[in-house]
Amino acid sequence: GAVVSQHPSWVICKSGTSVKIECRSLDFQATTMFWYRQFPKQSLMLMATSNEGSKATYEQGVEKDKFLINHASLTLSTLTVTSAHPEDSSFYICSARVVGSEQYFGPGTRLTVT
Amino acid sequence: QKEVEQNSGPLSVPEGAIASLNCTYSDRGSQSFFWYRQYSGKSPELIMSIYSNGDKEDGRFTAQLNKASQYVSLLIRDSQPSDSATYLCAVNTGNQFYFGTGTSLTVIP
Repeated sequence: GAVVSQHPSWVICKSGTSVKIECRSLDFQATTMFWYRQFPKQSLMLMATSNEGSKATYEQGVEKDKFLINHASLTLSTLTVTSAHPEDSSFYICSARVVGSEQYFGPGTRLTVT
Repeated sequence: QKEVEQNSGPLSVPEGAIASLNCTYSDRGSQSFFWYRQYSGKSPELIMSIYSNGDKEDGRFTAQLNKASQYVSLLIRDSQPSDSATYLCAVNTGNQFYFGTGTSLTVIP
């Protein structure tokens, strides 16, 4: 069944640097990909929705210039956290879906900014 | 009013009992309904989907949908300690997907 991968699974970076996270749908073509962030013991927070070939739609309060999303193909979306700061440390999870179906989640990427 | 509401719990049940998780949603036009399980430190995994009124059973899990009452539930029979997790209710309305905040379930051995 539908498999979504994320890379890297964890990353540590220094404050001020940028980090790119990849999300791939391995066995299906995803019409839409979603990016979530989750802080410890809190619920999922949707950051943005991305459709292949078009600009991502960001949720209110999410800085589009800080969290750059590229959805270049039906199987790949990337999230770049630019000029990362310690408060950006979180668990970032992507998901993918085909129109009319459920979302399938990647395993997540744990980002720590020192 | 939130799109999807769940009781955050925690809900504790003894091993072997039935765990009942509930979810309400606000948009009558919602078409698809899902239950996800999330273990601590892991991403959510889909365990059930339901699209029409009534019950849908899959092993120890039963999803129940009542569109008139805008209510979705998940029953877990013969609960096991490995079922201890946070359960997320999700609702699909058009192109939008809404998640509840999740119910924490603990199954006590």
